[in-house]
This record gives sequence, structure tokens and C-alpha cells, in this order.
Amino acid sequence: KAGVTQTPRYLIKTRGQQVTLSCSPISGHRSVSWYQQTPGQGLQFLFEYFSETQRNKGNFPGRFSGRQFSNSRSEMNVSTLELGDSALYLCASSSGRQPMNTEAFFGQGTRLTVV
Amino acid sequence: AQSVTQLGSHVSVSEGALVLLRCNYSSSVPPYLFWYVQYPNQGLQLLLKYTSAATLVKGINGFEAEFKKSETSFHLTKPSAHMSDAAEYFCAVRESNFGNEKLTFGTGTRLTIIP
Repeated sequence: KAGVTQTPRYLIKTRGQQVTLSCSPISGHRSVSWYQQTPGQGLQFLFEYFSETQRNKGNFPGRFSGRQFSNSRSEMNVSTLELGDSALYLCASSSGRQPMNTEAFFGQGTRLTVV
Repeated sequence: AQSVTQLGSHVSVSEGALVLLRCNYSSSVPPYLFWYVQYPNQGLQLLLKYTSAATLVKGINGFEAEFKKSETSFHLTKPSAHMSDAAEYFCAVRESNFGNEKLTFGTGTRLTIIP
């Protein structure tokens, strides 16, 4: 079956702009998580959505937001972009159901560059 | 709170030699542990996972890991390194609380294979 699809793969934005990233999970998966990967901070958890509700949240400012649609597709939005937001943004898909021994499947990521 | 420590940000081994990548975890509840691999400009691919069924876990590409509760370790090994193993490896922990899909990652270990 199809894997996790993230669009776009690459994005260049100007400081102060906003951006929306998209993630389509594996069919049947209801949980979508977002991670930011930078050389300095590594992989950091942004938030997780399950059945259209934010279930977990990391320690990122309110400029970072997300949502999930009824078909489990998720979007992440970053407003008022800063240079430090340049990163690889990874989306992870999982079933999100008990028992909790399921793994997360990752997309190829969206490389965001803020100039 | 959960955390993961990966000892050695860079590891170099000769082709055919043993690969050993170290991971120690901290978790207040029984953890689920994972090893992921990342190739350049790619997302994360699951190598293997520990979910309390067996302490020695076999994964893809000849990798395996042993869960040692007394040492709070989950080191990744491969008996004979191949050039295609060159990549970055991440250890991750997830607390087994219901509704908690958050993965906490280590800082990663970049594996170089010497011909």
C-alpha cells in the first residue's frame, strides 16, 4: 500500500511569510504526528493529531499549528516565518490505536528554507 | 519524562566489521523502543522495534538490538557492515501510555563505512 506522502518536498519562503505543509498518511491510519529536524536541535516533536483532534503537543510557539481532516490528511502551518524555522519537517503516520506496539511510518519530509 | 542518549555522534567501521551503535533510555513507565535509519534527503525508515515481547529484536538489513532493562540500554548491532549501511541512525522511545504517540529521539549517530 502507499506510504506517507508529504507535499511539497522543497519550499523556499521569505521571513515573515506563512507556509502550509501537507501530509497524507497511510490508508487506515488515524494518527499523524509532525516533527522538525534541524542540525542543531535534532528531531523534535511538534504535535500529533488523532481523529481530527490534537492529542499531543510539543514545546513550540503558537506560530506552529496544525489540523487534521476527516480523511486523516493533515496540514501544518507556520506563520510569521523566522530564519530559524528552516528545517526538514517530517510527518509520521500510525494507527494510533491500542495495543500501543505499532510503529510510526515517516514521509520523506518537506525541506523548508526561510530566506 | 522520557529521554534517549546515543553515545557517539559519529562512528566509523570497516566494511565487514561489527557495527555497534549505542542507545540508553530513560522512561518512567515501560518503554517502547525503536531504531530508525535516515539516508540523505530522506525520511526515517524503521529498522526494528522493542515492544516487550522479546528482549532480542531482529530487524531489517541484518540489524538487531537487545533490550537490557538493568542497563537501560537498547544497542543496535550488525555482525558485518556493508557499504550501503552508511547513514544516520536514530534511537527513539515512546512511553506506553494510551494515546501517546510522541516519539522522543536521540541526537543520532552517523555511521561511516570504510572500504
